[in-house]
Amino acid sequence: AQTVTQSQPEMSVQEAETVTLSCTYDTSESDYYLFWYKQPPSRQMILVIRQEAYKQQNATENRFSVNFQKAAKSFSLKISDSQLGDAAMYFCAYQGNQFYFGTGTSLTVIP
Amino acid sequence: DSGVTQTPKHLITATGQRVTLRCSPRSGDLSVYWYQQSLDQGLQFLIQYYNGEERAKGNILERFSAQQFPDLHSELNLSSLELGDSALYFCASSQGSLQETQYFGPGTRLLVL
Repeated sequence: AQTVTQSQPEMSVQEAETVTLSCTYDTSESDYYLFWYKQPPSRQMILVIRQEAYKQQNATENRFSVNFQKAAKSFSLKISDSQLGDAAMYFCAYQGNQFYFGTGTSLTVIP
Repeated sequence: DSGVTQTPKHLITATGQRVTLRCSPRSGDLSVYWYQQSLDQGLQFLIQYYNGEERAKGNILERFSAQQFPDLHSELNLSSLELGDSALYFCASSQGSLQETQYFGPGTRLLVL
């Protein structure tokens, strides 16, 4: 069965610094997508970045980038130049024939 | 604003009751997904509909049911409610049915007393 694991329940970063959030997954499917979603205190789920498994190139969206290691089934999120508005719960998600979310990492940004 | 709307925003009810949550997808999206997020928990996928047909099923209880109507809006029906059903229920939509980015609505916060 597919699972998504986020081993860091909480992380903190100084403003303007870089932080990496970890995610691993388990699957027997060859074709799937991976996502990072952000959930601020408003509880709205906001898409941060997505990665197609068939693409070797790591996805990048402005200050957000991923390190996708397909063989290792690892999908980490790097946030550069952290801003106060980045403080939120971050969820890693797997989308193949089913949909699985990790338990989340709560990110605190320290001014 | 994702373009996905959910009503109501908040719902308070009693154990044993039945409620209906409504979702309107983004314009042009054919798929609707339902998720449950309990307090301090990740999201649990419940069910997906694509163009009116059930496409995928997750951890949805037998007391829960859903449907997607011809105008593509969807309803999630929760019956014989228990205290543990208190949660934030999200609807998401996507254009197609396979491995596409889902856009989430603001959620319906259900409190069962």
